[in-house]
This record gives sequence, C-alpha cells and structure tokens, in this order.
Amino acid sequence: QLQLQESGAGLVKPSETLSLTCAVSGGSISSRGYSWSWIRQPPGKGLEWIGFMYHSGSTHHNPSLKSRVAISVDRSKNQFSLKLSSVTAADTAVYYCARVRGSGQVTDVYSQFDSWGQGTLVTVSS
Amino acid sequence: QSVLTQPPSASGTPGQRVTISCSGSSSNIGSHTVNWYQQLPGTAPKFLIYDNNQRPSGVPDRFSGSKSGTSASLAISGLQSEDEADYYCATWDDSLNGPVFGGGTKLTVL
Repeated sequence: QLQLQESGAGLVKPSETLSLTCAVSGGSISSRGYSWSWIRQPPGKGLEWIGFMYHSGSTHHNPSLKSRVAISVDRSKNQFSLKLSSVTAADTAVYYCARVRGSGQVTDVYSQFDSWGQGTLVTVSS
Repeated sequence: QSVLTQPPSASGTPGQRVTISCSGSSSNIGSHTVNWYQQLPGTAPKFLIYDNNQRPSGVPDRFSGSKSGTSASLAISGLQSEDEADYYCATWDDSLNGPVFGGGTKLTVL
C-alpha cells in the first residue's frame, strides 16, 4: 500500500526558506502514470495547490506563489521535496504531499489526488 | 476567496440524504470533470469521487456525485455519524492553469 510521509522543520523564521521532503513507500516515485504534488491548508481554512512534479521530472507551480516555489526529486531515495522561499506568516499551514492519479496531457487528472501524506504543520514566526 | 463556491455548512440526521453543491465557471467546472474529497477532523483529505461521479475502490456507494453546466453536487444517502467531516470539491482551472478547490463544506450529523 502506497504511503507518503512529510518531514521538515516545523518552525521557520520570516524571510527564510521552508524546506520539506515527502518520502514515498510502497511504490516507486518513478512509476509511469503518476505525478506528485504539494498542497497546503492554513489553519481553519481550505486547500491550496502549491505545485506539481510530473513523471518527467519537470515541475509546474501555482502562479500566486510567484517564483518562491521549487520542487525537486531524489529518485534514488524515492522522495521529492519542496522549498518555499521568503516566507511570511501567510505561509503558515499544514503542508501535504500527494500523488496525482495520472500523467500526460489530459489536465483533468491533475485535480485527482488519490493518496495523501498525513500532513505537517509549518509555522512561520520569529 | 475560493474559485469554487461551496456552502460553508450542511447538516442532516442519521439515515437522511444530504447534498453539497459546488459552483464554478466556464473556465473550470464548465470545461473539466469534478472531484470530491472528504476530510475527517484532524486528518488528511481522502479521495472520494472523481470524474464527476466515479468512486475509488473502497468508497461506499452511499456517496455519489453529479455535474451540470458550471455546477456540481455531492450526495450522501443513508447519512451516518462517521460522515461528519469537511468536504471539498476540486477541478482544473484554465485561467489559473492549475487545480482549484472549493472553500469546503462542514457536514454535521445531528
């Protein structure tokens, strides 16, 4: 059974960089037919998509986050990572990694997140 | 403010049928399929419905989805206490060029 587990610093200072890793077990991150994503949820609020890592290794992120987002993969460790730079209090949220139920050109699959990590709370505060 | 609009709350009694709506526009629901997620308190979202009305393996057939034009709905029949959760709709948005979520609906089982 596929499992995803987020890890990283739970407290980040304003203007610094948030760094998280998603370890995937029970399946290969290089499996064809899937992509990977980061999603966040501010306390008491709804879900916000952060970005994708496609099967090819290319990435695509939410334009609202401008160029602060970087998503990378370490296939040898079966994990992918998120870096969010210049954080502010507005970036305080539970961060989830998730598997996308598909890959390729059909955009509909990219809102289908069929497996999620448990989430990790990141607080931005001095 | 979310791109997709959901009522903030809904409620029902055990055994009842409840529906949750999700309203969008031509750049999202009007052009793409809709998915639904269930988030039990303190847990990660769970994949509940995809492609408007399909259920992933393991999801009870009490849960069903539909779509018409730029709106979609999630229906839960035979309501149970364990259905008390937040429910989110999601779809692709051509303007954002990414997936968007509704603001979520908190379902209370009275």
